[in-house]
Amino acid sequence: DQQVKQNSPSLSVQEGRISILNCDYTNSMFDYFLWYKKYPAEGPTFLISISSIKDKNEDGRFTVFLNKSAKHLSLHIVPSQPGDSAVYFCAASFSGTYKYIFGTGTRLKVLA
Amino acid sequence: KAGVTQTPRYLIKTRGQQVTLSCSPISGHRSVSWYQQTPGQGLQFLFEYFSETQRNKGNFPGRFSGRQFSNSRSEMNVSTLELGDSALYLCASSLPSGEMFFGPGTRLTVL
Repeated sequence: DQQVKQNSPSLSVQEGRISILNCDYTNSMFDYFLWYKKYPAEGPTFLISISSIKDKNEDGRFTVFLNKSAKHLSLHIVPSQPGDSAVYFCAASFSGTYKYIFGTGTRLKVLA
Repeated sequence: KAGVTQTPRYLIKTRGQQVTLSCSPISGHRSVSWYQQTPGQGLQFLFEYFSETQRNKGNFPGRFSGRQFSNSRSEMNVSTLELGDSALYLCASSLPSGEMFFGPGTRLTVL
């Protein structure tokens, strides 16, 4: 049973436009979420986090939105750059457990 | 500050052998986690250590084990290797807030 889902395996966006990556979860007890990007043959790079006490967190070009009632979070990248082309993973946990459930990833391609 | 380091970066083993992977967390991070990444299953949680104690364990067989030393460095061991153990093994260290930082991984190939 996949508790964290990224239903879009891939996404293509023009450079300069907004990229929106989506993530759904099934367990309403998850209360801490992370986003990572991953290049081939490298470890995932931490991007941004959000706690369930917030509905938005922003860091530079990256903004994460959390909709607890819909059990949905999204990562917005504005403006998108070709270097953002990578696989993006969302991850969820129960705060304090340090055990994360990862989604299957969305491959983002930013077209120049 | 140096990031998470993992050694070796690449390993080739044959079925039945055992392997030990090493991880050094970011200085000051006391929590170390291990994940397995395969094309079919994505990133799967193996276990998490804090102050030399295993706090969480994923759904992997007992062939997968780990430990953490007093300096927070961690090792992961896989015994009686199977072909399906071929994967990228990722170590991560965490801040108390829960933010987790990964190393580059060890690519294990089992022949």
